[in-house]
Amino acid sequence: DIQMTQSPSILSASVGDRVTITCRARQNINTWLAWYQQKPGNAPKVLIYEASSLESGVPSRFSGSGSGTEFTLTISSLQPDDFATYYCQQFNSYFGGGTKVEIK
Amino acid sequence: EVQLVESGGGLVQPGGSLRLSCAASGLTFSIYWMSWVRQAPGKGPEWVANIKPDGSATNYVDSVKGRFTISRDNAENSLYLQMSSLRADDTAVYYCVFNQYWGRGTLVTVSS
Repeated sequence: DIQMTQSPSILSASVGDRVTITCRARQNINTWLAWYQQKPGNAPKVLIYEASSLESGVPSRFSGSGSGTEFTLTISSLQPDDFATYYCQQFNSYFGGGTKVEIK
Repeated sequence: EVQLVESGGGLVQPGGSLRLSCAASGLTFSIYWMSWVRQAPGKGPEWVANIKPDGSATNYVDSVKGRFTISRDNAENSLYLQMSSLRADDTAVYYCVFNQYWGRGTLVTVSS
């Protein structure tokens, strides 16, 4: 089984900051990876699929990169609506442990 | 447009069984891996099981091995999750998932 390691688990940042979250797979998963944003009481919302494709309607300040075993989600300029928990997931398999982005 | 519609959730007693179904449309169902994901109240999402396009291989998270069975009917574009020996910690919304596409979920509550 391919499991995902996500870091950091908590990230304190300010509005306007550039934020990067990392996800590592134990084995090569090519670009079969998605990033999700989740807020309390809501289902996860897809931001990025196939490692770097921006889901329709998602602001362009979100971007994804990587392939193989190492992936990153970047928020270029953190906005108030972005304080949430973020998860990576290999398609149809394990999730990372989550990164809570909180106000510094 | 990909649509995944789950059904079959409900209230069940500990030790009981339940069968979830997922009707898929808008994709060539028979060529894709499919999966079930669940989310318990106040917790993050958890992958539960997946199944190969032809149904010949399945994988499960350790906590459900031996209790849950994932299956599919490619002729009916349908995915299933047979759940038995249910426990309180199986209480969650269960989602049918294909790559980055999710259904709306169906709630399973295990309680006496």
